[in-house]
Amino acid sequence: GAGVSQSPSNKVTEKGKDVELRCDPISGHTALYWYRQSLGQGLEFLIYFQGNSAPDKSGLPSDRFSAERTGGSVSTLTIQRTQQEDSAVYLCASSLGSAGSFYGYTFGSGTRLTVV
Amino acid sequence: AQSVTQLDSHVSVSEGTPVLLRCNYSSSYSPSLFWYVQHPNKGLQLLLKYTSAATLVKGINGFEAEFKKSETSFHLTKPSAHMSDAAEYFCVVSDSSNTGKLIFGQGTTLQVKP
Repeated sequence: GAGVSQSPSNKVTEKGKDVELRCDPISGHTALYWYRQSLGQGLEFLIYFQGNSAPDKSGLPSDRFSAERTGGSVSTLTIQRTQQEDSAVYLCASSLGSAGSFYGYTFGSGTRLTVV
Repeated sequence: AQSVTQLDSHVSVSEGTPVLLRCNYSSSYSPSLFWYVQHPNKGLQLLLKYTSAATLVKGINGFEAEFKKSETSFHLTKPSAHMSDAAEYFCVVSDSSNTGKLIFGQGTTLQVKP
């Protein structure tokens, strides 16, 4: 597609429920990143996929968070047993290669998650 | 480890006056630096990037930034603010691990008064 597509754009869920957030990167972009933006904060790195390599999960805040990337394209971020502190905007970005500083990144519009 | 500090959480200027958004970075190597802008309910948009070429970087919408290694700064400027510049601005440094991870500052909210 022309840009990075994320769905849903908004999600309200009850505390304790599981949620899945989807990211569809730009076609041909091998690198995919998930970030989280909490209210009034900068972006916090969560996880990074590059081609067929093992993902860099160093930013995931707890074992309730997991992510997959199928076929080197679409990615799903799953949050199990959601907590109120999980409320944030979850942003996905893709890049042509791992050297994103050279190729540049394209961000999606994000999914606003509200846990009530 | 790399980090960025945006020195002002909120900046207010009048339309037509200069804009200065300050950013200091910390890095043990020559970093790649970026400025991103986020308008309300919109995605992040790249304004400009520095990747060890010219130290004065020109971006979109009349913005520019100067990389000063001696001061470890990468301040964002614009000669004349426009109402449409009102947004959140993030100074960003790339992680040294060559994964392309970005490390974001806390953001500066730019208010433009008529």
